[in-house]
Amino acid sequence: DVKVTQSSRYLVKRTGEKVFLECVQDMDHENMFWYRQDPGLGLRLIYFSYDVKMKEKGDIPEGYSVSREKKERFSLILESASTNQTSMYLCASSLLAGYNSPLHFGNGTRLTVT
Amino acid sequence: KNEVEQSPQNLTAQEGEFITINCSYSVGISALHWLQQHPGGGIVSLFMLSSGKKKHGRLIATINIQEKHSSLHITASHPRDSAVYICAVRYSGGSNYKLTFGKGTLLTVNP
Repeated sequence: DVKVTQSSRYLVKRTGEKVFLECVQDMDHENMFWYRQDPGLGLRLIYFSYDVKMKEKGDIPEGYSVSREKKERFSLILESASTNQTSMYLCASSLLAGYNSPLHFGNGTRLTVT
Repeated sequence: KNEVEQSPQNLTAQEGEFITINCSYSVGISALHWLQQHPGGGIVSLFMLSSGKKKHGRLIATINIQEKHSSLHITASHPRDSAVYICAVRYSGGSNYKLTFGKGTLLTVNP
């Protein structure tokens, strides 16, 4: 089974801090994703990576950046955390970018910015 | 704007009942996903389908391409089925990687 591991389940940070959310997958998947999930809004794509050092912006990239130096690891960076970035963050991976490839999700990181 | 609508938003059932959750979308799709999210956050992919019907254990997913509608059925529901069920679609002609998600259906199954 594919395992997608997010480094923290819960994280509390202060406004203005630089925050790193880490995600590791163990199945050599090409594609990795960062989503945020907010009540009433569903999942929204922040960034997508289809290869090492390759990335594309999703629907809501403002205030975020990403890093993919190794195939198995995809990091989400909040350069200067703000309270409106308090949310549940979910990492996912898939073998192919095409429509026939299922997504495998991590357990999520619930980030609170105070 | 392409949207995904789920109904009902909340559903409470007694153990053993037959459950149906619905998903409607607005334009042509290449695939539809059903996902399950338990309290605590982790999401599991249940089904991915582009036509017809799929079954896994007590779960059945159907899709009607002409009606732009999909249903997720749970037979002989059990309290462990309590979760949020999320429908997501990949629109035809859109980016290969981009899914549009519904807001989810919260299912509670009481013993």
